[in-house]
This record gives sequence, C-alpha cells and structure tokens, in this order.
Amino acid sequence: VQLVESGGGLVQPGGSLRLSCAASGFTFSTSWMTWVRQAPGRGLEWVANIKPEGEKTYYVDSLKGRFTISRDNAKKSVFLQLNSLRVEDTAVYYCARQYSSSPHYGMDVWGQGTTVTVSS
Amino acid sequence: SLELTQPPSVSVPPGQTVSITCSGNQLGEKYISWYQLRPGQSPLMVIHQDDKRPSEIPARFSGSNSGNTATLTISGTQALDEADYFCQAWDGTTVVFGGGTKLTVL
Repeated sequence: VQLVESGGGLVQPGGSLRLSCAASGFTFSTSWMTWVRQAPGRGLEWVANIKPEGEKTYYVDSLKGRFTISRDNAKKSVFLQLNSLRVEDTAVYYCARQYSSSPHYGMDVWGQGTTVTVSS
Repeated sequence: SLELTQPPSVSVPPGQTVSITCSGNQLGEKYISWYQLRPGQSPLMVIHQDDKRPSEIPARFSGSNSGNTATLTISGTQALDEADYFCQAWDGTTVVFGGGTKLTVL
C-alpha cells in the first residue's frame, strides 16, 4: 500500500503547479482521497477531499477558488491544481487515503510529501 | 465551525504515562483520529475512531473520546515517542485538525 506524490518545486508568486499522487496496493477507485499540507514550522492543514468517483469535492474555505482536487481512477491517481500561488502556500503537500472509504475514520496511508516553494 | 484545541506542549519522563487532550464542542459525537508527526517524516495515524489502534501501532498508545474532550494516552513513554501529535475530526464537510502538541520525553 503506497502513495507517491510528485510535481512540487519552486514557483513565483502568481504561478501554478499541478501535484500528482500515484496510488498502489489498494483499491483506489473506492477510496476517499485527501490533500493535507504543512507549512514550515506550522501544523497540519487540511486542503481538500474527493469522493471515490470524483463526484463531489470539499475544500478548506481559505483555498476555495485557487486549488482544485481531481482524480483519475483508471490511472489510480489524485491531483491538486494550485493556481495564483502565494508565498504563504509554501509547504510540504501530502496526499492521504481516508481509512475504510469514509472521511469519518481518519487517514491511514500517507505519501512522502512533495515540497512547494513559492518565492520570487 | 468545529475547532479543536490542544495544549502546545507536554513533557514526560521516560517510562511514565502522558495524556494529550483535544477539546471541541460536542467532540464526543464525532470520531477522532490522532497522528504522530516526527521531523522529516510523513504523518502516522496512531489512533482512529476514538480508540482503535492500527495494527502496527504499539499497545502503549490508547485513545478515548467523551463529552467535549478526546484524549490520547501513551503508557510507558519511550524516547522514540517524542514528536508532534495532532487530533483530527470530520465535521460533515471539512477535515479539522487540532493545532498540535509537542511531546518531549525528558
């Protein structure tokens, strides 16, 4: 059971990035998926959730309109599109699986994280 | 909206028991998960559904949740338990994390 993120990097303020998370070892198409970030010296911050078929998405209010979560079940991947990036978006971004296909039970599998640095 | 409050830090001598609290309105009506976060590592779920341990988590980790407070308890604390701990809940439309508690084993 594994999640592997990619796509992070250095970007200028106002720029965009697309993060990817490849899943293996479990039935991806029945799993709720999540993005969480941790800014330097800060705690964990939830970013977004997506239901198994991608039919519904959920976002933290502060990021609505700039970030978009999506998935491709055929490729066993979940994505996070980051637009209009700001310095304060600098963080390690983790994707995670919601345990037992429910958002009530927490996140039991985490990727290694991908680092996004927003700086001029 | 739901807010989860944790003490910023707690300390414990090796071998002793420590409890980390997580407070929120009517928290006992929601499931709480707990995560351990060591520097440079990914978060690790140590408790889910209030009091259930993933198979790989040692039995010294336990959890409870009632009223407005959830509690993570570590018995026989070891040096390797030194880390940040975060509580988390789902309020129906959003995932909420507590601010985190830094556990020092001294």
